[in-house]
Amino acid sequence: DGGITQSPKYLFRKEGQNVTLSCEQNLNHDAMYWYRQDPGQGLRLIYYSQIVNDFQKGDIAEGYSVSREKKESFPLTVTSAQKNPTAFYLCASINPRSPLSGANVLTFGAGSRLTVL
Amino acid sequence: DAKTTQPNSMESNEEEPVHLPCNHSTISGTDYIHWYRQLPSQGPEYVIHGLTSNVNNRMASLAIAEDRKSSTLILHRATLRDAAVYYCILRDEALIQGAQKLVFGQGTRLTINP
Repeated sequence: DGGITQSPKYLFRKEGQNVTLSCEQNLNHDAMYWYRQDPGQGLRLIYYSQIVNDFQKGDIAEGYSVSREKKESFPLTVTSAQKNPTAFYLCASINPRSPLSGANVLTFGAGSRLTVL
Repeated sequence: DAKTTQPNSMESNEEEPVHLPCNHSTISGTDYIHWYRQLPSQGPEYVIHGLTSNVNNRMASLAIAEDRKSSTLILHRATLRDAAVYYCILRDEALIQGAQKLVFGQGTRLTINP
């Protein structure tokens, strides 16, 4: 079955360390997104990408970096510059190309929970 | 910045209908209204979407105001499994090329009482 796989599901990090969260999709979707969610809060957009080797900053990109070397993969690196990285991270994808159908919806992964010790 | 506003929380009883409102006063002509819901500790899942006409599917119904500045997600008979955070977002279907910035607001936390 097609879907989005995020790994690891749980991750612990010491302060000052960079960590990379994996996001892989086999849906042949062009666009991919990373969101952050804090307890009891909504989703905030970190980065998004339309095509390989192209990505844009979202609303809270500081302290994060991404790459899009393959269509299927959109890893997120949480750098030591992110002052409060403990959160639930969600990856999503969508195929934006079906013309005016409205049928394109976001598919989300199960999320990665990062805790800084 | 979210283009939609929703109440922070709502509460209902099991087997009763639930109406979840969403305001989107700056909606453009090519914006579709999408609803997602998020169960605890999971990623959001798609519920329903629409453009102008009311829509029904196996999960819910979507009622869209005539001026399209608001919409309502309707759960006809709520169950305990419907307890979740519900998000309403706008997606511009005219933006086929180029990634679209899809912004979620705070959503509405729905509590279902047994």
